[in-house]
Amino acid sequence: DTGVSQNPRHKITKRGQNVTFRCDPISEHNRLYWYRQTLGQGPEFLTYFQNEAQLEKSRLLSDRFSAERPKGSFSTLEIQRTEQGDSAMYLCASSSSTRTGRNEQFFGPGTRLTVL
Amino acid sequence: EDKVVQSPLSLVVHEGDTVTLNCSYEVTNFRSLLWYKQEKKAPTFLFMLTSSGIEKKSGRLSSILDKKELSSILNITATQTGDSAIYLCAVPATNTGNQFYFGTGTSLTVIP
Repeated sequence: DTGVSQNPRHKITKRGQNVTFRCDPISEHNRLYWYRQTLGQGPEFLTYFQNEAQLEKSRLLSDRFSAERPKGSFSTLEIQRTEQGDSAMYLCASSSSTRTGRNEQFFGPGTRLTVL
Repeated sequence: EDKVVQSPLSLVVHEGDTVTLNCSYEVTNFRSLLWYKQEKKAPTFLFMLTSSGIEKKSGRLSSILDKKELSSILNITATQTGDSAIYLCAVPATNTGNQFYFGTGTSLTVIP
C-alpha cells in the first residue's frame, strides 16, 4: 500500500498521560499536514511541514502539542499532559508541490484518541 | 476571517435521486477549492477547482465553481447507497495557502 499510513489507529489514554502518533506520508510527497477532527466537524488544521521544516502552526496548537518531521519523511505528533478535550481523530495528509501547484492532499486513516 | 460554510448540513434521499451540495467561502486571496468524500475513515479527494464556470466531472459526480458568488456546488446524479458519506469542502487560507479551512460537511444518506 503506497498511501498515507498512521499509527496507531486507536489510542486510549488516561488524562495527564503523554501520547505520540506517527504518520508516514506518500514517499514522494514533500508536504505533510496534521489535522484534528471531532464529531460533526470538518478537519481543523494543526500544522504543516515542507520537507523537514515546520512552516505553519495553528493557534489551536497549544504548547502541549509538538510535531516533528526530522528527516523530511515520517512525522510524529506528541500531546503532553492529555486532557479530555483532546479526544478526537487526528488526521495526517500529504501532498506534493508541483509546477502546477495542485496541492491536493491525500489523507491517512487517522488515529482516534480517547482520553479518559 | 477566512471561513467555509456548507449546506445543507444533512440530506436524506432515495436511490436514483439527484442531489446538489453547496459550499460558500470567504477567502481574501482565493486560490482553489477542493471537495472530499469522507466515509467512516479519512477524506478522499474528489475535485479541485480553480477556474470559475468550468465543470469538473467524474462519473455521476460533477462540480463547478462560481467565483462571483464565492461558492461551489457538487452534484451527484442517480445516487446510490454507496454515495452515503460526508462531503467536505476546503479552501486554502489567505496568507500562505498551506493552511486549509474545511467546512463542517454535508452528511448525505441514500436509502434504497
